[in-house]
Amino acid sequence: AQKVTQAQTEISVVEKEDVTLDCVYETRDTTYYLFWYKQPPSGELVFLIRRNSFDEQNEISGRYSWNFQKSTSSFNFTITASQVVDSAVYFCALKPGANSKLTFGKGITLSVRP
Amino acid sequence: DGGITQSPKYLFRKEGQNVTLSCEQNLNHDAMYWYRQDPGQGLRLIYYSQIVNDFQKGDIAEGYSVSREKKESFPLTVTSAQKNPTAFYLCASSIYFSGGAGYTFGSGTRLTVV
Repeated sequence: AQKVTQAQTEISVVEKEDVTLDCVYETRDTTYYLFWYKQPPSGELVFLIRRNSFDEQNEISGRYSWNFQKSTSSFNFTITASQVVDSAVYFCALKPGANSKLTFGKGITLSVRP
Repeated sequence: DGGITQSPKYLFRKEGQNVTLSCEQNLNHDAMYWYRQDPGQGLRLIYYSQIVNDFQKGDIAEGYSVSREKKESFPLTVTSAQKNPTAFYLCASSIYFSGGAGYTFGSGTRLTVV
């Protein structure tokens, strides 16, 4: 069975602080895909990143970076120098295998205070 | 611009009534999905469709029904059998069901039972 655990439920930081959102996954498949989505107050989920299980290279995109470690089954997301516009709910998701559905974690509510 | 349109944005239903939520996409995606979001519960899959004229139950299909008569459309009916229908409903699509394609989401419909 596949599972995504986002142990942090709510995080509050002051603007310009760095913040890391944790994601731990479980799957028996050797081929799988991991995703991060952002849900701002408007409600629509916005795609941030996708990683496949064979690509452990970390990625940086502006203030966002992702650390994928198969050894610990983790796919953590760091926001550097957070801004108020980063306030949202962030979901980690897993798509195990080639023919399967996307499974979401319960989400982390991030509040960035001015 | 291509995307997913969900309507209405807000919907109020009396107990005992069926209501239908609309989801239309112009992305030429084969697969479509319906998720339900409750506070602290993440996203839970209701139904999905890999291709026209085909759909499967997700994790919480009881009290819901769908149809997929056209590639562009995947309406969800919340029936009177759904005991707790008040929630935020998100529709999504992906180019194919298989593989690692990410999902594109609509902006959601908030259903409230009055």
